[in-house]
Amino acid sequence: DTAVSQTPKYLVTQMGNDKSIKCEQNLGHDTMYWYKQDSKKFLKIMFSYNNKELIINETVPNRFSPKSPDKAHLNLHINSLELGDSAVYFCASSPRQGASSPLHFGNGTRLTVT
Amino acid sequence: GQQVMQIPQYQHVQEGEDFTTYCNSSTTLSNIQWYKQRPGGHPVFLIQLVKSGEVKKQKRLTFQFGEAKKNSSLHITATQTTDVGTYFCAGPKVSNYQLIWGAGTKLIIKP
Repeated sequence: DTAVSQTPKYLVTQMGNDKSIKCEQNLGHDTMYWYKQDSKKFLKIMFSYNNKELIINETVPNRFSPKSPDKAHLNLHINSLELGDSAVYFCASSPRQGASSPLHFGNGTRLTVT
Repeated sequence: GQQVMQIPQYQHVQEGEDFTTYCNSSTTLSNIQWYKQRPGGHPVFLIQLVKSGEVKKQKRLTFQFGEAKKNSSLHITATQTTDVGTYFCAGPKVSNYQLIWGAGTKLIIKP
């Protein structure tokens, strides 16, 4: 199936731990994103990569570090997790750079920090 | 700063009634996109409007883009339980490298 897939689907961890979320797209898209959706459903962009190059970094704490080994993969590593990091994290991709390309979202990773 | 406001936050309807959500931008938009997120799901792209005054239909859904390209609406005729979810509008930031999202309108069908 062509899709944006991210793992894990659920992540429960304690404050202070380090965790990673992985994302892969097989749509052949050039651009990938990480979004955070809080409990009020507000969608906030965190990062965007175009062909492995970082193009958007939206005032995210440096505890969050994205890595794109190739244009089909975009991973998110989070250090020293805090309670406020609890949210749903969505990976997304689009055919090309720029905000005129529709986004294809992964199924999300629900992160709970206790 | 540039903003996209979406109202209402929630709308409760009886099945079979109509539903409308409105999106207003503080700046002229080159395009506007609409997404639907089912409960527990992920946002799914519905449509993109580009032209001033554009109207597009998808079965019971009608999308409009205002003449000034600063507002948009999504209207659902005769809602069904499958329409339940949160509807988001999103438009490009002036830089055009990212989208600015509305806060979403949650459609709730009354039992």
